[in-house]
Amino acid sequence: DVKVTQSSRYLVKRTGEKVFLECVQDMDHENMFWYRQDPGLGLRLIYFSYDVKMKEKGDIPEGYSVSREKKERFSLILESASTNQTSMYLCASRRGGLTDTQYFGPGTRLTVL
Amino acid sequence: AQKVTQAQTEISVVEKEDVTLDCVYETRDTTYYLFWYKQPPSGELVFLIRRNSFDEQNEISGRYSWNFQKSTSSFNFTITASQVVDSAVYFCALSVSNNNDMRFGAGTRLTVKP
Repeated sequence: DVKVTQSSRYLVKRTGEKVFLECVQDMDHENMFWYRQDPGLGLRLIYFSYDVKMKEKGDIPEGYSVSREKKERFSLILESASTNQTSMYLCASRRGGLTDTQYFGPGTRLTVL
Repeated sequence: AQKVTQAQTEISVVEKEDVTLDCVYETRDTTYYLFWYKQPPSGELVFLIRRNSFDEQNEISGRYSWNFQKSTSSFNFTITASQVVDSAVYFCALSVSNNNDMRFGAGTRLTVKP
């Protein structure tokens, strides 16, 4: 079974803090994704990566950056957390192109005070 | 542009009722894939089904069935004889050939009461 893990289920940070969300997949997938989920808005793509050190912006990249130094790990970074970044963050991975399925991690619920 | 609409925000049924979750999509691509995911209270999205644009056959898996109609751009999901364990948020999603990501609907929260 594909396993996507996220470093924390719940996280509480203060405004202005730098926040790291970590995601690890164990199936050698090429593609990895970060989404945020908000009520009534579904999942929105923040960034994705199709290879080590490669990244592309999604729909809402502002206020976020990412890092992929190793194939299995994809990190989401909030340089200076703000209250409007309080949300559920979901990581996903996918082996190849559209014919493959995205597998999701359990999510990290981030609260910024 | 790609878009997925799940018009039903919340649905509540009593156990053993049948329920249909609607999904309407928009795309100009001729090659695309449609998905349904289930998000139980634990939070992790669970893959249910993938359908490509060239296969309009309906699919049944146990109590779950999917009705794909290109004429109405819909990919509806029916749960027959619903159970309490079906309570979750269900997402419909779309992938197209010229894009590397998936476009998700807003989700439908299904509550099945005993």
